[in-house]
Amino acid sequence: AQSVTQLGSHVSVSEGALVLLRCNYSSSVPPYLFWYVQYPNQGLQLLLKYTSAATLVKGINGFEAEFKKSETSFHLTKPSAHMSDAAEYFCAVRGSNFNKFYFGSGTKLNVKP
Amino acid sequence: EPEVTQTPSHQVTQMGQEVILRCVPISNHLYFYWYRQILGQKVEFLVSFYNNEISEKSEIFDDQFSVERPDGSNFTLKIRSTKLEDSAMYFCASSESREETQYFGPGTRLLVL
Repeated sequence: AQSVTQLGSHVSVSEGALVLLRCNYSSSVPPYLFWYVQYPNQGLQLLLKYTSAATLVKGINGFEAEFKKSETSFHLTKPSAHMSDAAEYFCAVRGSNFNKFYFGSGTKLNVKP
Repeated sequence: EPEVTQTPSHQVTQMGQEVILRCVPISNHLYFYWYRQILGQKVEFLVSFYNNEISEKSEIFDDQFSVERPDGSNFTLKIRSTKLEDSAMYFCASSESREETQYFGPGTRLLVL
């Protein structure tokens, strides 16, 4: 079975500081992992995805994530937060039969001036 | 850039009424999905649809729910007799193939009174 755990429902950082959003997964098959971002009153936008190629994945808006099999983690990072990064971030793993995604509970990122 | 669209953006209905949520997937995509997000909770898979039939559904997707692709562009979710607990944000998604990324629409916020 597949599942995702996101540690920290709320994360607050200062503008210019490092962003680290944590995601740990459980998967019975080699995982395909995704990060989505949801801005207020908008849908889910794909940030980046891991599909068993490079373990360090670069996404849009300066975000990247590193797949670490030994730690079953896929944490999202950005070196320098911007006010426009304030949003809710969801980690997801694709199901083994490819039919569905399993989402984490989400982490709301607040960026302070 | 092609995107998934959903209408309406908001829907308020009385308990027991039927609602139809509409989605226009990306035009060359063949796989379609509905997810929902109850306020403050995870995004949950409801159903996947391919080749004019349901390929997988969750335990949430009971007899009150149905999906249809009435023409070449629309994909609909019908709730026959809404309950208070159906209040949620409903997301439509589509993908080119089972292995490809799912792209999400902006969602329909359903409120059942």
